Formats: sequence, C-alpha cells, structure tokens
Amino acid sequence: DAGVIQSPRHEVTEMGQEVTLRCKPISGHNSLFWYRQTMMRGLELLIYFNNNVPIDDSGMPEDRFSAKMPNASFSTLKIQPSEPRDSAVYFCASSRDRGSTGELFFGEGSRLTVL
Amino acid sequence: AQKVTQAQTEISVVEKEDVTLDCVYETRDTTYYLFWYKQPPSGELVFLIRRNSFDEQNEISGRYSWNFQKSTSSFNFTITASQVVDSAVYFCALSEVGDDKIIFGKGTRLHILP
Repeated sequence: DAGVIQSPRHEVTEMGQEVTLRCKPISGHNSLFWYRQTMMRGLELLIYFNNNVPIDDSGMPEDRFSAKMPNASFSTLKIQPSEPRDSAVYFCASSRDRGSTGELFFGEGSRLTVL
Repeated sequence: AQKVTQAQTEISVVEKEDVTLDCVYETRDTTYYLFWYKQPPSGELVFLIRRNSFDEQNEISGRYSWNFQKSTSSFNFTITASQVVDSAVYFCALSEVGDDKIIFGKGTRLHILP
C-alpha cells in the first residue's frame, strides 16, 4: 500500500507568493495532521482533522495559513502571502485511529524555502 | 499542559557502543501515551514504539529497549551495540488520551561513528 504522499517535495518561492502544499493520506485513515519542522522550534503541530473535520487549528501561526480537507483522500495547506520565516519542512501524517492512541504515518515532507 | 523535553541535542558515539537517549515528559493526565519516532537522513519520520501510562514494563525489540518510569516522568531509549544505520534524529512524543494531539520533543541527533 502507498504511504502518505506529499507534494511538492521541494518548493522555492519569493516572499509574497502563495504556496499550496498537498497531502494524500493512507486510505482508510481517519485522522490527518500537518506538522512544521524547523531547527529552532522542532516539530510543531499546526492543525489536525478527524473524519475530514478540523478539530484543532490552534497551532496555525497566523491568518496567512489555512488548511482544508475536502474529502478523505486529500488535504491542502496554504500560505498566503508567504514570508521568509515560513521556510521549513512541512509534514503531513495520517493515523487509523484518533491521534492520541494511534501510530502516525508520515509523508516525506515538503521543504519550503521562501526568499 | 503537555511538554516533552529531550535535553540531549546531539550525541556522538563510536559504533558498537551502547547509547541512551533521554526523554522527560510533563502531563496533568493520568492516562496518556508515549512514543518514540526515528527520522533518518531521508527525512521521513518512522514510528518505533508506543506505550500507555498504565504499562510500565520495559520493552525490548532487538537492539532497542525502552525504560518507562512514571516516578521520574521519563521514557528513555537505549540502543545496544549501535550501528552506523542508527544515525538519525530521534523524537520522543506524548499524547493525552482524548486529546488527539501528539506533542513532540525537539529531538536528539544521534551520530554513530564507524
């Protein structure tokens, strides 16, 4: 079975541009998580969904960030407008169970560089 | 509030040495889960183990072992007879039951030198 699929793997963009990161979770998984990884802050949970519904977005840095999950097999994380401090690796993860009890399966990450 | 502390930022050991990665956690709940994940150079995080707060038995899986002690709020990870392939960043994580969020520590970067 395919794992969690993220795209793009790498994105370089200029400040002010819109960035959209995509994620396809593992089929049958009910929970989806977006994490951001930086050297300074480590792995930060941005938002998570259960059965396509956003449950907690308290980790989303500010209004420039938004996430959607229109169906069980697709999610997007959008940054508009992007800023250099958004440069990070963004991971999507899915879980069969609700996150607190289940193993998270991570994608390979999307490395974002904002110039 | 939940918190996971991995005080060791970076560790280097020579191959075949044993190495222990420390993890200390904070939670107000009596029911919670603890995890360890490995992030090899390829970047993808890989699940290693999950323990629930009611099970303090130590666990061994091949060269890996985990020591869970509620009295000190610690969940340490030991690699015995380390190998170069063990080089990675290792994350300890915590989740309170019913909260869904899994909170990660900042990770320990482990270098196994040949």
